[in-house]
Amino acid sequence: AQKVTQAQTEISVVEKEDVTLDCVYETRDTTYYLFWYKQPPSGELVFLIRRNSFDEQNEISGRYSWNFQKSTSSFNFTITASQVVDSAVYFCALSEAAAGNKLTFGGGTRVLVKP
Amino acid sequence: EPEVTQTPSHQVTQMGQEVILRCVPISNHLYFYWYRQILGQKVEFLVSFYNNEISEKSEIFDDQFSVERPDGSNFTLKIRSTKLEDSAMYFCASGNGRAYNEQFFGPGTRLTVL
Repeated sequence: AQKVTQAQTEISVVEKEDVTLDCVYETRDTTYYLFWYKQPPSGELVFLIRRNSFDEQNEISGRYSWNFQKSTSSFNFTITASQVVDSAVYFCALSEAAAGNKLTFGGGTRVLVKP
Repeated sequence: EPEVTQTPSHQVTQMGQEVILRCVPISNHLYFYWYRQILGQKVEFLVSFYNNEISEKSEIFDDQFSVERPDGSNFTLKIRSTKLEDSAMYFCASGNGRAYNEQFFGPGTRLTVL
């Protein structure tokens, strides 16, 4: 069975501070995919980043970066120099590799960026 | 860019009524999904659909729920007799089963059961 845990329920920062969101996952598969989604107050799910289990190289994409560590089953996500528009709920999700497999979401972390 | 669409955006119904939520997946996708998000909670998987049949369903997806792909373009979720606890945002998603098993989400339908 797959499981995703986001221990932080809410984080509040002041604009321009960095924000790191934690995600820990469980799966029995050796091949799997990890995702981060953003859910702004309007309610839609916005895809942010993805990673496959064979690629532990950490990357930066604009103000977003992620730290994938298989040894600790963690897939943390950082927003650098946060902006008010980053205020949203962020979900980490996992899909096991077989084609068509479902996504399992974590409980979400609400980020509030104050001006 | 192709996108998943859902109608209606908001549906209000009385307890015990049947509702049908509609989705138009991306045209060349083969895998279709419904997810549910009760207000303030996480997104939960309901059901996946492939090759005209259910491939997986969660324990939430009981006999009150059904899915259908009636005409090759629409993908529907029917709730036969709605309960108060069915009030939630329902997201449809589709994917081609290839790289990353990536799923593309629709904007959601907010269902309110009174």
